[in-house]
Amino acid sequence: DIVMTQSPDSLAVSLGERATINCKSSQSVLYSSNNKNYLAWYQQKPGQPPKLLIYWASIRESGVPDRFSGSGSGTDFTLTISSLQAEDVAVYYCQQYYSTSSFGQGTKVEIK
Amino acid sequence: EVQLLESGGGLVQPGGSLRLSCAASGFTFRSYAMSWVRQAPGKGLEWVSAISGSDGSTYYADSVKGRFTISRDNSKNTLYLQVNSLRAEDTAIYFCAKSTDLGYWYFDLWGRGTLVTVLS
Repeated sequence: DIVMTQSPDSLAVSLGERATINCKSSQSVLYSSNNKNYLAWYQQKPGQPPKLLIYWASIRESGVPDRFSGSGSGTDFTLTISSLQAEDVAVYYCQQYYSTSSFGQGTKVEIK
Repeated sequence: EVQLLESGGGLVQPGGSLRLSCAASGFTFRSYAMSWVRQAPGKGLEWVSAISGSDGSTYYADSVKGRFTISRDNSKNTLYLQVNSLRAEDTAIYFCAKSTDLGYWYFDLWGRGTLVTVLS
């Protein structure tokens, strides 16, 4: 099974500043035949289901603000919020779908 | 409206069973793989099970294999999860989630979940 590990567990960022969340997989999620990383990012606000932000490691879902971006390949990935807004306070999860599926433990983003 | 609506959760004793349902609307249900994902109170997300849209192939997390059974009725646009031999650690909100049209298991539509509480 692929284990996903996020860091940090929580972070506090000032409004307008950059937030960076890391995600590491226990084995590569890059599929060589199509050169795609089977990695997604979700945002979950209290009392709500998760919302898809990014898939294929860097493709933004329709309607997601462009301040959200994903990067990385193989085993190391990053979600960046370029200019944190109040509505971005949430828990963020990475997910691999290379081999069945598994999620990271989550990173809580708060306002400093 | 495109949506998923779960039901069937509740309070059950250890060793008990429940059948969770997820009613889909607004899209061609039979064309999409579907999954169940759970979230224990105050904890993170755990993928539980998936079923393909085409041939009905099923997949399970090791933590539920042999106790949970996923199924679907495409004529009723409904996904099911039969949960047996429940344990305290199965207490969670159970979400159903829709995969994308190419069958890859990232989830672009989620229900609001149904709460299962296992308590003696």
